[in-house]
Amino acid sequence: GEDVEQSLFLSVREGDSSVINCTYTDSSSTYLYWYKQEPGAGLQLLTYIFSNMDMKQDQRLTVLLNKKDKHLSLRIADTQTGDSAIYFCAESPVTSGTYKYIFGTGTRLKVLA
Amino acid sequence: SQTIHQWPATLVQPVGSPLSLECTVEGTSNPNLYWYRQAAGRGLQLLFYSVGIGQISSEVPQNLSASRPQDRQFILSSKKLLLSDSGFYLCAWRRTGGTDTQYFGPGTRLTVL
Repeated sequence: GEDVEQSLFLSVREGDSSVINCTYTDSSSTYLYWYKQEPGAGLQLLTYIFSNMDMKQDQRLTVLLNKKDKHLSLRIADTQTGDSAIYFCAESPVTSGTYKYIFGTGTRLKVLA
Repeated sequence: SQTIHQWPATLVQPVGSPLSLECTVEGTSNPNLYWYRQAAGRGLQLLFYSVGIGQISSEVPQNLSASRPQDRQFILSSKKLLLSDSGFYLCAWRRTGGTDTQYFGPGTRLTVL
């Protein structure tokens, strides 16, 4: 199937770390993505990881990729109230031929002050 | 640099009325273009994509249609709106020959009454 799964909600306290998980299905995906959507806005690209990497760090963001389990995670260090948003993971299967994304359902992150 | 525009930002339409949403991209040539719909509290559903002028692929059967009259213009239309067409419509572009990365516009909030 083509389901990308994410938990729907996550609540953390300001200053803690947040970990958002994603399970994808197509091992042919060359890149895997994390997008952030603030209320009423479009999707903002946060980061992406190439499929031959296990980890990518970008300031407060750390992406971990476990290809064997088809598991992707996004860790946000020192979570701030401005990080409250919906986070989508997406895969881009090569087999689609046209660079179509398959998005997860999104995880709504709520940061408590 | 590249920018993507969508208009209108918000739209309230009666059932049975026509629809035209516009998306334009600046600063790039021959992009791949995508229309997504996001229902309230839901993930993203790919509606249409286009790899060139006049080339449209539909992902789901529905009463919507898309057209690409110019290289950097993508239009989403309907002859008669349904209540179920309400949602947040997002346009995205991808650079041909680049990474798989898609960049999203700010979205159009459509409410059908």
